[in-house]
Amino acid sequence: DAGITQSPRYKITETGRQVTLMCHQTWSHSYMFWYRQDLGHGLRLIYYSAAADITDKGEVPDGYVVSRSKTENFPLTLESATRSQTSVYFCASSDGTRRETQYFGPGTRLLVL
Amino acid sequence: AQSVTQPDIHITVSEGASLELRCNYSYGATPYLFWYVQSPGQGLQLLLKYFSGDTLVQGIKGFEAEFKRSQSSFNLRKPSVHWSDAAEYFCAVGSSGSARQLTFGSGTQLTVLP
Repeated sequence: DAGITQSPRYKITETGRQVTLMCHQTWSHSYMFWYRQDLGHGLRLIYYSAAADITDKGEVPDGYVVSRSKTENFPLTLESATRSQTSVYFCASSDGTRRETQYFGPGTRLLVL
Repeated sequence: AQSVTQPDIHITVSEGASLELRCNYSYGATPYLFWYVQSPGQGLQLLLKYFSGDTLVQGIKGFEAEFKRSQSSFNLRKPSVHWSDAAEYFCAVGSSGSARQLTFGSGTQLTVLP
């Protein structure tokens, strides 16, 4: 009953470095999502994926790259981290039905120095 | 574009008191509405959701919410708050389009006094 997991849970990096956040779900959900959570903004959608090899931008995609070669995995890469990308990142998944519910992972807390 | 407003950033109630968290949304069609709760250091857990039908929705942990189309609101209520309810609460609206995107409010932090 693993559900949806994220790794690492905490990460400290430096400006300019590449960072990859991992997300894995065991439900075979078709949809997966990446959000960032910042004080005063709630959660904002970065990217989402409707199926393997299908991804699309959300509200705040700049500076991020995603891929989805397998249904269960949806990594998020910061190609050149900036301080403004310091945030808590949440991955979510849903089964894609019309009345779906999104299920969230525990989050990754990222600090960019 | 859809949007969600949670007017109360922080609410403090005493244990045993009733609770109402406000949520107003903007969406052109019939909305899909959700309330999520986030305990410190945790991910988001779904409390309840509304898609259609009965406008009073029951959720987990004794919470309920009422959809009022005329007021564009989906307020969350609980008759008697427990100390374990202290958390951050997020209202969200979902689109019926293919993107399945949720738009979240900025959250309401609930503090429960003993």
